Amino acid sequence: DAGVIQSPRHEVTEMGQEVTLRCKPISGHDYLFWYRQTMMRGLELLIYFNNNVPIDDSGMPEDRFSAKMPNASFSTLKIQPSEPRDSAVYFCASSSSIPHWGYTFGSGTRLTVV
Amino acid sequence: GQQVMQIPQYQHVQEGEDFTTYCNSSTTLSNIQWYKQRPGGHPVFLIQLVKSGEVKKQKRLTFQFGEAKKNSSLHITATQTTDVGTYFCAGFLTGTASKLTFGTGTRLQVTL
Repeated sequence: DAGVIQSPRHEVTEMGQEVTLRCKPISGHDYLFWYRQTMMRGLELLIYFNNNVPIDDSGMPEDRFSAKMPNASFSTLKIQPSEPRDSAVYFCASSSSIPHWGYTFGSGTRLTVV
Repeated sequence: GQQVMQIPQYQHVQEGEDFTTYCNSSTTLSNIQWYKQRPGGHPVFLIQLVKSGEVKKQKRLTFQFGEAKKNSSLHITATQTTDVGTYFCAGFLTGTASKLTFGTGTRLQVTL
């Protein structure tokens, strides 16, 4: 397996533009997580899915953020409109329902909003 | 606010010295995991501890889970330059079986 695949690796956009981040989890993993990492706030859980269903979105900062998982092999995180304070590294991670295997993280998307 | 804290935030050691990072939770953890993130990389799962007082070893790394399941530690013996990175503990807070809360992390720098 190629692991968790995220795209794009880097994204630079202007304030006000829509940004879509993409994630392909490991096949067979039934949990998918979106994290955001910044120096100030560390690793924050934004939302997670179980069997494609959103379970907890309490970490989503505001209505500008939305996430979908239309099928078991694809998820998106959308920011509309984007703001400079959204600049961060966004990680997608997946896991099976056997927690001791841990989470497998993707390589992340470094988002810069100017 | 942040419920899982780690100390120190940063440590710089010379190669061959030992290193320890401590993880403390404000609430009981059902289990705890440790991850390593290399500079510019992504977190990589190292290990999970489940039982109160559990100790596990991976070569030069020793992981410990506290008796009260509210704290944990990672000790590296005789550090090497390949140990450079940020070490995160992460716990499942009681009642949140599938949602990991990550600690603040300890950044380790190792020089020759």
